[in-house]
Amino acid sequence: GIQVEQSPPDLILQEGANSTLRCNFSDSVNNLQWFHQNPWGQLINLFYIPSGTKQNGRLSATTVATERYSLLYISSSQTTDSGVYFCAVDNYGQNFVFGPGTRLSVLP
Amino acid sequence: DAGITQSPRHKVTETGTPVTLRCHQTENHRYMYWYRQDPGHGLRLIHYSYGVKDTDKGEVSDGYSVSRSKTEDFLLTLESATSSQTSVYFCAITNRSTGELFFGEGSRLTVL
Repeated sequence: GIQVEQSPPDLILQEGANSTLRCNFSDSVNNLQWFHQNPWGQLINLFYIPSGTKQNGRLSATTVATERYSLLYISSSQTTDSGVYFCAVDNYGQNFVFGPGTRLSVLP
Repeated sequence: DAGITQSPRHKVTETGTPVTLRCHQTENHRYMYWYRQDPGHGLRLIHYSYGVKDTDKGEVSDGYSVSRSKTEDFLLTLESATSSQTSVYFCAITNRSTGELFFGEGSRLTVL
């Protein structure tokens, strides 16, 4: 089946810093999403982005489907950005496969 | 808000007892999923449903069964719970228009 990798596994930032999280996948996909799991365990949808670029406030994402990767950019990070960021892909099977996540800690 | 509610949100039970987790959705979505989340393993698919009485296995289906007798409800049953099934269980749906995945708030199960 499709494999999903995320890097880095852990990231520690000072408040106000910028970061880039990466998701690589091993096969073509028709769906790709980024999620944020907050410290309370809730899984929050960030982007639905099978291709192209989207922006939402301080966050933006780019997926280059032909090269099988997606990037999540966080600018001017805040302590509330802390948590785990997951990439999930669906390669035409109606079942999403999740990457292992990037754990982000933003320090005040 | 995708209108997904899970119950119970927290449960502690003993090894060998049956457990049923319920996922309820209010927006008539066709596809529903059960995932488990464990440290070091991320989110893994247990079972999914693509319609009433239509279900299929996911990556980690052993020890679990599911039922979907109504569009709005998807039940996950552990016939005889084991300590290895201690986990956080998430229900999810895919939006029928976009294919976007949305999660419920999770159910934390502890098997002693």
